[in-house]
Amino acid sequence: KAGVTQTPRYLIKTRGQQVTLSCSPISGHRSVSWYQQTPGQGLQFLFEYFSETQRNKGNFPGRFSGRQFSNSRSEMNVSTLELGDSALYLCASSHQGVEQYFGPGTRLTVL
Amino acid sequence: GENVEQHPSTLSVQEGDSAVIKCTYSDSASNYFPWYKQELGKRPQLIIDIRSNVGEKKDQRIAVTLNKTAKHFSLHITETQPEDSAVYFCAAPWVFGAGTILRVKS
Repeated sequence: KAGVTQTPRYLIKTRGQQVTLSCSPISGHRSVSWYQQTPGQGLQFLFEYFSETQRNKGNFPGRFSGRQFSNSRSEMNVSTLELGDSALYLCASSHQGVEQYFGPGTRLTVL
Repeated sequence: GENVEQHPSTLSVQEGDSAVIKCTYSDSASNYFPWYKQELGKRPQLIIDIRSNVGEKKDQRIAVTLNKTAKHFSLHITETQPEDSAVYFCAAPWVFGAGTILRVKS
């Protein structure tokens, strides 16, 4: 099976802009979770989508949102970017929400 | 909400020695505890996991133990090898520990 893919792999934006990241899960997986990874804060959970519904949510401001499509592909959107949003954004897919397999990540730099 | 603490933050061992990383969690309702290995510049990889109805699980040189009463779980790596050098994360299950940098010296 093909692994989890994320696009784009690298992104440079300026403060105030918005960004959309995409994640394609492993075929057959219905759960997609998103994480933010930074050197200072480690791996932090953003949200999980299962069958197009947000099932769990981390402690991030409303500027961070997501959605999942009927083919299980997921997108994450960050509006009004701040310098502190610079991070590696990882998505992970799983069949039922456990045994997560991570994608390569999208490296977002906010200038 | 759930809180996961992981110790130690760094661990250096000699090749062939054992390494133990410990995590504690706060939410007694948590029932799934995975461990991930992340090599430099790579994605986290699930290496082993345990569910709350099991006390111990082994996979070759790697084992995980769970103590639900004390709310802690541990990763044990035996006969460490240089390729075991990486950052290891515990989780419960979406809240991650801060990570442990494991260095295996040859």
